[in-house]
Amino acid sequence: DIQMTQSPSSLSASVGDRVTITCRASQSITTYLNWYQQKPGKAPNLLIYAASSLQSGVPSRFSGSGSGTDFTLTISSLQPEDFATYYCQQTYIYFTFGPGTKVDIK
Amino acid sequence: EVQLVETGGGLIQPGGSLRLSCAASGFSVSNNYMGWVRQAPGKGPEWVSVIYAGGSMYYADSAKGRFTISRDNSKNTLSLQMNTLRAEDTAVYYCARLKYCSGSSCRGGAFEIRGQGTMVTVSS
Repeated sequence: DIQMTQSPSSLSASVGDRVTITCRASQSITTYLNWYQQKPGKAPNLLIYAASSLQSGVPSRFSGSGSGTDFTLTISSLQPEDFATYYCQQTYIYFTFGPGTKVDIK
Repeated sequence: EVQLVETGGGLIQPGGSLRLSCAASGFSVSNNYMGWVRQAPGKGPEWVSVIYAGGSMYYADSAKGRFTISRDNSKNTLSLQMNTLRAEDTAVYYCARLKYCSGSSCRGGAFEIRGQGTMVTVSS
C-alpha cells in the first residue's frame, strides 16, 4: 500500500501570508496527486488534481507542484476563507488520503 | 447541475447491516466512475469503494468482504450495502463522482463530493 504523509500537521498564519504544505508518498506516484480543502462540517472540496492542475472555480492563489514522491500545495496570499484543513490524496494505486494539515489563524 | 444526495445512515448495533443510497442528478451514474468516501469523527477522509464505468468494483481493505457497492442505472442511484458493521465503521459517508480518470483503472481520478453525506453510527 502507498502511504501518504503531510507536513506540518498544523500551522498558524495571517491573512496575506504565503503558505506551503508538503505531501510525501511512500513510493513514486508520478503526478497522480490531488489536493482537497475541508472546512468544519463540510465535505472535502477538490482544489488541485494531477499535482498541478487547478480545479474549475478554485482561486488562482492556490497552486500545486511536484512529482514522484514529493509534492507541495501553495497558497500565495492567504485569505480569511482559506482557514481550513488540507488533504493530499494519491491516485496511482487506489485512492489514499494524507493525514491532513490544519491551517488556522495566527 | 451535478447533485448527489446520500440517504440511509443511522444508528446500528455492531454486527448489523445498513444500506446507503445516493441519488444522482445532472449526470448518469451508468457511464461515470463513482465511489464512496467516509470520514470518522475527527479523522481524515478514507476511500471505501469505487465502481468503474465498465462495472469493475474495488474496495479498501477495511471494507473488503463486508461492503458491496452497486448502481441502479434506471434510478440513477449508487448504493453501498454494509454488513457485519463494526464500531470503527462509524463515520459520515459521502457519495462521489470520480473525475479525471485515466484509462479503465481510473488512475488519476479525483473525488467530486457534492452531497452533505449520511452519518452511520455503530454502537450498542
